[in-house]
Amino acid sequence: DADVTQTPRNRITKTGKRIMLECSQTKGHDRMYWYRQDPGLGLQLIYYSFDVKDINKGEISDGYSVSRQAQAKFSLSLESAIPNQTALYFCATSDSRAYNEQFFGPGTRLTVL
Amino acid sequence: GENVEQHPSTLSVQEGDSAVIKCTYSDSASNYFPWYKQELGKGPQLIIDIRSNVGEKKDQRIAVTLNKTAKHFSLHITETQPEDSAVYFCAASWGYQKVTFGTGTKLQVIP
Repeated sequence: DADVTQTPRNRITKTGKRIMLECSQTKGHDRMYWYRQDPGLGLQLIYYSFDVKDINKGEISDGYSVSRQAQAKFSLSLESAIPNQTALYFCATSDSRAYNEQFFGPGTRLTVL
Repeated sequence: GENVEQHPSTLSVQEGDSAVIKCTYSDSASNYFPWYKQELGKGPQLIIDIRSNVGEKKDQRIAVTLNKTAKHFSLHITETQPEDSAVYFCAASWGYQKVTFGTGTKLQVIP
């Protein structure tokens, strides 16, 4: 089984709908991240969590919210989806005891119509 | 905050030739510089990293160089092969803090 899993892998939704993307990890890492990838813009950090009680905004948090339900689970919500949130979303994990090597999930392709 | 610039955005090379990707960073406190490779349909994966107390690091056909004075670092791939075709990201961070990524380079190796 993959160490970092994301569900769903693909999602098409309509403007105004609430969407939740889920991430689970079996690596035992304490840190988790949500990134957005757009062509030519690289990986932009949306939110990150250094432990269950710690949630921090990244570069592009507007329009998004997160929940760290457990050390192994970190979900990303779009409260009211809009077309410019169409992108590829990645969850990642890292271990605070090691330098910042990040382990990425396979990604969720989200399309907002 | 940290800002990482990456060039070129696309790169095409003939199989067997070398490829070089360059990055610059803004925060002189950054001391960890990883490189990630993203294959089609997958998440990025770490391929090599370098820390600020080292000027160069090599792993088989891949090498990374770091110039802290100029605040730039580069990825060198020698004897390129078709399986090297992917998107490559550079990144920078300070200590155990969050990582800032570059905008990516799409490398195409032409057989």
